[in-house]
Amino acid sequence: DVKVTQSSRYLVKRTGEKVFLECVQDMDHENMFWYRQDPGLGLRLIYFSYDVKMKEKGDIPEGYSVSREKKERFSLILESASTNQTSMYLCASSGDPLYTQYFGPGTRLTVL
Amino acid sequence: GQQVMQIPQYQHVQEGEDFTTYCNSSTTLSNIQWYKQRPGGHPVFLIQLVKSGEVKKQKRLTFQFGEAKKNSSLHITATQTTDVGTYFCAGRGTSGSRLTFGEGTQLTVNP
Repeated sequence: DVKVTQSSRYLVKRTGEKVFLECVQDMDHENMFWYRQDPGLGLRLIYFSYDVKMKEKGDIPEGYSVSREKKERFSLILESASTNQTSMYLCASSGDPLYTQYFGPGTRLTVL
Repeated sequence: GQQVMQIPQYQHVQEGEDFTTYCNSSTTLSNIQWYKQRPGGHPVFLIQLVKSGEVKKQKRLTFQFGEAKKNSSLHITATQTTDVGTYFCAGRGTSGSRLTFGEGTQLTVNP
């Protein structure tokens, strides 16, 4: 079974802090994704990566950056957290022919 | 850019009633996937539809892909309490592995 893990289930940060969210997958998948999930808005793509050191902006990249130094790890960085970044953050990976996305458990981030 | 819209946003049913959620894309899709997210959980892949007019069944769940490959539906027959959750459609464009998710339909089943 594919396993996607995220560094924290719950995180509370203060406005202006730098926040790191880490995601690790164990299936040697090329593709990794970061989404945020908000009520009524579904899953919105922040950034994705097709390969190591490669990244592409999704639909809502403002205020975020990413890092992919190793194939199995994809990090989401909030350079200066703001209250409107309070959300559920979901990481996903894919690499099978159907491009099925396998999601991690999510990190619920609260920015005070 | 590609947009995928899903209705309704919420649906409350009595156990045993049927349920349908609809998904519409602003552009033609190469395929569409459906995911289910249980309360407190993460989205889990259910199925992928690829061909125009395709219909697939998984027990009480029936998935359809429109002839124009711009819309899809998920129908659940005789809902059970285990069907509770949010159902997402996700469309893939003509290239790449990126999916665009709909807003989801949150299903509540009253026993």
